[in-house]
Amino acid sequence: DVVLTQTPPTLLATIGQSVSISCRSSQSLLHSNGNTYLNWLLQRTGQSPQPLIYLVSKLESGVPNRFSGSGSGTDFTLKISGVEAEDLGVYYCMQFTHYPFTFGSGTKLEIK
Amino acid sequence: EVQLQESGPGLVKPSQSLSLTCSVTGYSITSNYWGWIRKFPGNKMEWMGYISYSGSTSYNPSLKSRISITRDTSKNQFFLQLNSVTTEDTATYYCARLRTTVDYWGQGVMVTVSS
Repeated sequence: DVVLTQTPPTLLATIGQSVSISCRSSQSLLHSNGNTYLNWLLQRTGQSPQPLIYLVSKLESGVPNRFSGSGSGTDFTLKISGVEAEDLGVYYCMQFTHYPFTFGSGTKLEIK
Repeated sequence: EVQLQESGPGLVKPSQSLSLTCSVTGYSITSNYWGWIRKFPGNKMEWMGYISYSGSTSYNPSLKSRISITRDTSKNQFFLQLNSVTTEDTATYYCARLRTTVDYWGQGVMVTVSS
């Protein structure tokens, strides 16, 4: 199975600070069809996960543009440019390129 | 709006079967793919399997001998059965719709395996 290694496991940020989360894959996530199926999800406490970014860098409808995704191959990054209080929760990367689909171990964002 | 709702028992005894239902409103399960995902105590998430718009299924090989996903299109529901459960199957179970990402999730149902 593809292993997604997320770092850091915990992130402590102040409001307005910019932060980044790394997701490294044990295999390239470039699919034979040319797409890279690397997604980012946010799970707030007591809620279901919600999609933030798909295909590495495309924002889901309704997601604020302070969120951005980048990367290729095996290295990917989620950046939040100006953390807001509502952004706290656990962030996961997830890959759809190889079966079985797999998730990163999660990064918990806490607000100072 | 697409909505998914899981239902089923919250407590299952070891060696028995876990059965959950996902009821979908606002979208037909005869389109797209529909899956089950679980989150273990802590943060670990696991993809369990999916059923396609045509009824074909695909399962995580780690579960392949124990899992079955079926559907009832007349009720717009799909189902999870996991056999021979152990305490390691204690988790919150989510049903979800799959496209290029998992774009709609149910609220999740916590299932505890305990005697």
